[in-house]
Amino acid sequence: QKEVEQNSGPLSVPEGAIASLNCTYSDRGSQSFFWYRQYSGKSPELIMFIYSNGDKEDGRFTAQLNKASQYVSLLIRDSQPSDSATYLCALPNSNSGYALNFGKGTSLLVTP
Amino acid sequence: TAGITQAPTSQILAAGRSMTLRCTQDMRHNAMYWYRQDLGLGLRLIHYSNTAGTTGKGEVPDGYSVSRANTDDFPLTLASAVPSQTSVYFCASSPGGQPTEAFFGQGTRLTVV
Repeated sequence: QKEVEQNSGPLSVPEGAIASLNCTYSDRGSQSFFWYRQYSGKSPELIMFIYSNGDKEDGRFTAQLNKASQYVSLLIRDSQPSDSATYLCALPNSNSGYALNFGKGTSLLVTP
Repeated sequence: TAGITQAPTSQILAAGRSMTLRCTQDMRHNAMYWYRQDLGLGLRLIHYSNTAGTTGKGEVPDGYSVSRANTDDFPLTLASAVPSQTSVYFCASSPGGQPTEAFFGQGTRLTVV
């Protein structure tokens, strides 16, 4: 049973707009949450992590966490064509040591 | 720094043959992982190792084995490959001690025919 759910997309936004990527999870005990970006044919790379309820900002990226609703999101402001990629939500796998459990990812397309 | 190195980058393998995918990290991370990524199924954990000398089964361990003789190396072996093992395989590592970000290798694209 997959514990991390994401819409597969594709999510299409025009250049300069805000892209909103969402993720829900089932394990209420989860304490840390990670957003990865994966370009086609490449390996995943970390964008942000968040541990506390509320917002965390890093440049054009903002992660939002609501533990009561079991919901984490990633906002990308001033979206650029170079942001076109698949975005993966991840949280610790409670059954596998320190491993992360990944959602299937949301494909984002930023159109010029 | 090299980070995590996987070899080979890609491979075509005849069904029934065995193969070892190699993974080496130079970050002195305690924990290492093997994932496979398939279209529509996302990243799925095959095996993991929290520290040298220990291994554990992930979500999809059948048909695969691992060993962790030292901190740096975490090879993945397919004893008798089947077409359903066609996938992109990623090795990853993390410092360990608590759940933290995982750093990924560049991946191995394996095709079993």
